[in-house]
Amino acid sequence: DTEVTQTPKHLVMGMTNKKSLKCEQHMGHRAMYWYKQKAKKPPELMFVYSYEKLSINESVPSRFSPECPNSSLLNLHLHALQPEDSALYLCASSHRGLSTGELFFGEGSRLTVL
Amino acid sequence: AQTVTQSQPEMSVQEAETVTLSCTYDTSESDYYLFWYKQPPSRQMILVIRQEAYKQQNATENRFSVNFQKAAKSFSLKISDSQLGDAAMYFCAYRRISNFGNEKLTFGTGTRLTIIP
Repeated sequence: DTEVTQTPKHLVMGMTNKKSLKCEQHMGHRAMYWYKQKAKKPPELMFVYSYEKLSINESVPSRFSPECPNSSLLNLHLHALQPEDSALYLCASSHRGLSTGELFFGEGSRLTVL
Repeated sequence: AQTVTQSQPEMSVQEAETVTLSCTYDTSESDYYLFWYKQPPSRQMILVIRQEAYKQQNATENRFSVNFQKAAKSFSLKISDSQLGDAAMYFCAYRRISNFGNEKLTFGTGTRLTIIP
């Protein structure tokens, strides 16, 4: 299994809603990532988890709250978002060791904030 | 901080022809990975090819090959025999090597490749 699975694929929410994005991988990877991608732009790193601990937070607003409940799952909890938060949210994972170095990406969750 | 630059926002190539996408990067590290990812309209980021900086030999994957010039910090992608399915946004990316294994991937701004039938 070489997949990173993200759900939902599409999400529309109001500014007062609370929702979550989910990411799952079964490749035994111990590093997991959230990236945000606006249209026609490269992905921008939001968070990195290593061994289920948050290791990098790229100064992301607190309305985005990541969670890594176990080595296979990564969540991104969303609350009081703004319309400018509308974007494609990509989850990725990688081997913790040197290995091949690549990140494996999911298909993304396209978020629209009304 | 590491930066990755792609100077060609858009490229087009005739089907079955060859095209080269350019990428330069800046780093003070000696050990790192370089990648080319493609992102078709289906939006999933797919690895095309990787290069370890310590390897002098240029990586190849079927129709895809790179020209890695470490001293010049240049990493171009050559696509031979272009096919319609190659149409996508191509991102050059850099990743530092560390013992922690949680280093981020830094992307260039991307090159949109169009294949002309």
